[in-house]
Amino acid sequence: DVHLVELGGGLVQPGRSLRLSCAASGFTFDDYAMHWVRQVPGKGLEWVSGISWNSASIGYADPVKGRFAISRDNAKNSLYLQMNSLRPEDTAFYYCAKGARDSFDYWGQGTLVTVSS
Amino acid sequence: QSALTQPRSVSGSPGQSVTISCTGTSSDVGGYNYVSWYQQHPGKAPKLMIYDVTERPSGVPDRFSGSKSGNTASLTISGLQPEDEADYYCCSYAGSYTWMFGGGTWLTVL
Repeated sequence: DVHLVELGGGLVQPGRSLRLSCAASGFTFDDYAMHWVRQVPGKGLEWVSGISWNSASIGYADPVKGRFAISRDNAKNSLYLQMNSLRPEDTAFYYCAKGARDSFDYWGQGTLVTVSS
Repeated sequence: QSALTQPRSVSGSPGQSVTISCTGTSSDVGGYNYVSWYQQHPGKAPKLMIYDVTERPSGVPDRFSGSKSGNTASLTISGLQPEDEADYYCCSYAGSYTWMFGGGTWLTVL
């Protein structure tokens, strides 16, 4: 079974950094694109960033461009999101999602990032 | 990047059909056949229901179907069941390796 586990969430002050990770299992990790999607509690889904299987293609949503960096380590079956210059509006659950063509077919349970002083 | 437009809520009685619309632009929904739909129950992770506008993943009931016309995609759920009550989100590829979600629609099964 496909299993995605997000780690690294927590409380962080505005302007500080945080690194999320996603441990993947149950599929051939380096065959698939991976994505981060976030959701403010009680609000809708927002695609944050995606990375192709070989890291050759990377994309970011406008609100995080220049502040967040996505990466992956195929040897460790892991996906990462380095979040810098965090803002209160970045507060959300962050989901790791497996790419499937141009959709997201498996999701983790999410990790909560709270940006507050 | 603006979110795709979905109705805030829809409702239907058990056994009836409902359709949820998702309106974008020629740069996203209208420009690619890469629209997907997700079901999310409260407190749960989203679940893929439709991909590539009309395709159903294995295990998704054929009561769920997708379509697209111009810049608007639609999800139709026929034979409504109580467990279909949830939030539904559309998503489209938007070019340059970016994706965009709709604002979400809450489905009430009366």
